Amino acid sequence: ELKVEQNPLFLSMQEGKNYTIYCNYSTTSDRLYWYRQDPGKSLESLFVLLSNGAVKQEGRLMASLDTKARLSTLHITAAVHDLSATYFCAGLGSEKLVFGKGMKLTVNP
Amino acid sequence: DTAVSQTPKYLVTQMGNDKSIKCEQNLGHDTMYWYKQDSKKFLKIMFSYNNKELIINETVPNRFSPKSPDKAHLNLHINSLELGDSAVYFCASSTSGDSAPYEQYFGPGTRLTVT
Repeated sequence: ELKVEQNPLFLSMQEGKNYTIYCNYSTTSDRLYWYRQDPGKSLESLFVLLSNGAVKQEGRLMASLDTKARLSTLHITAAVHDLSATYFCAGLGSEKLVFGKGMKLTVNP
Repeated sequence: DTAVSQTPKYLVTQMGNDKSIKCEQNLGHDTMYWYKQDSKKFLKIMFSYNNKELIINETVPNRFSPKSPDKAHLNLHINSLELGDSAVYFCASSTSGDSAPYEQYFGPGTRLTVT
């Protein structure tokens, strides 16, 4: 059964800094998803990574997928306060998404 | 135009009551889901329907019964509510099939509080 782990689960960083967060999964999943959730809000789809080596960028966020290492990364460039949220990664297993526990990001001025 | 909508947004009720949450999507997707997000923000799938057919039924108490009258609607009925049912329930929808991205679009959530 697919298991998804995120690392770290909490991150406090300063504006302007860069950081990479990690998402590992336990069995084959050729698709990986990143979602953002603001407090009290729904989940917003950020990236869908469909193949090994896929890289997608949107603003200050860049996501990549390495299916051989069973690893996806979400890189944050020059963080700003508006990026503060909880970020979930999810793999596709048996026709369902399996979510990690989420990483709560706080960007401080 | 709301893609995935849920009603109600908030639901406060007493233990032992029965309640329903409704979900509708206008994206033309063929698969719909119910998730439960607990107080620690952990998100777990409960049910999935594809074209009105139940395809995923996770380990959920049988007090929870989903119903899909058509592929655009998925409702969740909960009998004999318990304190532990307090959570946020999200509906989601996606396309499906071997080449489908399975990207799921989430509704706004229903915050259920059982007192």
